[in-house]
Amino acid sequence: DAGVIQSPRHEVTEMGQEVTLRCKPISGHNSLFWYRQTMMRGLELLIYFNNNVPIDDSGMPEDRFSAKMPNASFSTLKIQPSEPRDSAVYFCASRRGLAGGPSSYEQYFGPGTRLTVT
Amino acid sequence: AQKVTQAQTEISVVEKEDVTLDCVYETRDTTYYLFWYKQPPSGELVFLIRRNSFDEQNEISGRYSWNFQKSTSSFNFTITASQVVDSAVYFCALSGYQAGTALIFGKGTTLSVSS
Repeated sequence: DAGVIQSPRHEVTEMGQEVTLRCKPISGHNSLFWYRQTMMRGLELLIYFNNNVPIDDSGMPEDRFSAKMPNASFSTLKIQPSEPRDSAVYFCASRRGLAGGPSSYEQYFGPGTRLTVT
Repeated sequence: AQKVTQAQTEISVVEKEDVTLDCVYETRDTTYYLFWYKQPPSGELVFLIRRNSFDEQNEISGRYSWNFQKSTSSFNFTITASQVVDSAVYFCALSGYQAGTALIFGKGTTLSVSS
């Protein structure tokens, strides 16, 4: 089975530009998470979707960040306008529905997108 | 509040040594889940193990073993006979039982295994 797919793998952009990160979860998984990894803050949750609906976006840093999940197989994380402090690795993860028991809590991560804003 | 502490920032060992990575967690939930993930130099996050709070049995998988002790809120990870390929950052994580909870990660322990 294909794992979580993220694109692009690397993105370099100038401050003020719009950035769109993409994620395709594992087929059959109905929960999707966006995390950000930085040296200072480690791994932190940005937003979580369940059945394509945003459930918890309390980790989204500010209004410059937005995320959508138009269908079960695709999600985007958009930063507009981007700033140098947004430079980080952005991970997407997915998991099955929790009705599947304890193993449903296991999250599987994509390879990440390394974003550099100059 | 939920919290995961990995007190060891970096560990260096020589191949074939055994090494234990410590993880201490805090939660008010009575049911919760604990995880270990590996992040090799290539950068991806690889799922290693999940442990349920209601199952305190230790687990062994090849050279890896995990010691879960609810009494001390610890979930330690031991690599026996370490190898260079074990060099990575290892993260301990915690998830609550409720559907809306995501993973709470520790800061990670960087393990360097030299030949």
